Amino acid sequence: GAVVSQHPSRVICKSGTSVKIECRSLDFQATTMFWYRQFPKQSLMLMATSNEGSKATYEQGVEKDKFLINHASLTLSTLTVTSAHPEDSSFYICSARETSGYQETQYFGPGTRLLVL
Amino acid sequence: AQKVTQAQTEISVVEKEDVTLDCVYETRDTTYYLFWYKQPPSGELVFLIRRNSFDEQNEISGRYSWNFQKSTSSFNFTITASQVVDSAVYFCALSEGRDDKIIFGKGTRLHILP
Repeated sequence: GAVVSQHPSRVICKSGTSVKIECRSLDFQATTMFWYRQFPKQSLMLMATSNEGSKATYEQGVEKDKFLINHASLTLSTLTVTSAHPEDSSFYICSARETSGYQETQYFGPGTRLLVL
Repeated sequence: AQKVTQAQTEISVVEKEDVTLDCVYETRDTTYYLFWYKQPPSGELVFLIRRNSFDEQNEISGRYSWNFQKSTSSFNFTITASQVVDSAVYFCALSEGRDDKIIFGKGTRLHILP
């Protein structure tokens, strides 16, 4: 199946710094990508829908100025956590939607663990 | 609004037992998709199945089987002859329309005891 990668897989940063997470579709083009956040022992919560060439759509309660999303190409979306704080520590997972004929399928990346000290 | 309920937070069974994970969903759409994902301790989501709302046939894949019942809005997942490697968190999920946003249930943590 299609492959989605995330980089980095793990990051530790100091409080107040910004962290960028990349999501790439490796063998297909994705006009739409999704960003999820998962706190320990909890479910995945959709944060935003990233659309290539246009602004991201954020879910209710997600601060768009804090979580900057850029979908600059058909294979890359980035999530930047600005001025990160310990409460932003979480597992961030992206998914990319592939359209093949009438079928649309989402493929998930392996996730990025963020720890803010 | 769409919603997925996994009432079982945590289940423990002894190896080789069968186990069923329940999933109940809510949606107003007539076209929707149901999913099951496995999340082992590594964190990476493993896709297990996708079922569209027009296909109520039950599915079997090896030791895994799924029972989709629109009448009760349920999409239950059964593992037969469970193995220790089946230990993980299992998520049921739903998307409406053309495979748009996927909404996840809270997950069921499954422990298979040797």
